Amino acid sequence: AQKITQTQPGMFVQEKEAVTLDCTYDTSDQSYGLFWYKQPSSGEMIFLIYQGSYDEQNATEGRYSLNFQKARKSANLVISASQLGDSAMYFCAMSLRTNAGNMLTFGGGTRLMVKP
Amino acid sequence: EPEVTQTPSHQVTQMGQEVILRCVPISNHLYFYWYRQILGQKVEFLVSFYNNEISEKSEIFDDQFSVERPDGSNFTLKIRSTKLEDSAMYFCAILDPNAGVGTDTQYFGPGTRLTVL
Repeated sequence: AQKITQTQPGMFVQEKEAVTLDCTYDTSDQSYGLFWYKQPSSGEMIFLIYQGSYDEQNATEGRYSLNFQKARKSANLVISASQLGDSAMYFCAMSLRTNAGNMLTFGGGTRLMVKP
Repeated sequence: EPEVTQTPSHQVTQMGQEVILRCVPISNHLYFYWYRQILGQKVEFLVSFYNNEISEKSEIFDDQFSVERPDGSNFTLKIRSTKLEDSAMYFCAILDPNAGVGTDTQYFGPGTRLTVL
């Protein structure tokens, strides 16, 4: 069974600075996908970024980048130039290709607070 | 990004009552999912649905739960006899049909907050 661990329950960052949110995963499968979702106080789950286990380059989407270190089984999210609107819960998730339904397994989340 | 709507946005029900939560994808999708999030906790997988059949379900998805796609569009989650511990946010998700091989991005609806009294 797969497992996702997010060790930072809460993080503060100064506006306009970069922040790294940690995520480690555990699976014996070789083929999987890693995801980050943002959940603002309004409650919706917003997809941010995806990284495939066979992707050689780290994924980037605008101000978001994923620092993928396969050997260490980590998939940290880096947010550059933080904005006040980035204050939210952030969830790391994984899906296994071997699962028929590609279900997502989520970590416990990190609450990011951006200070003005 | 695919659009998914969910109704109702908030449902309050008495313990033991049946509830039906609805998910309406805007485009024609094949893969559907239900997840739940108890207040302050992580998001948990309930069930995946492909080609009008359940493809995978978690231990949470017991006999009290059922899913169907009655009219080929709406995707519903039914809880037959609600319990206090069913109080949670329930999310519908769809798999991006335009993603190429190797991408399994799921897009979530806004959620239905279920409160069982």
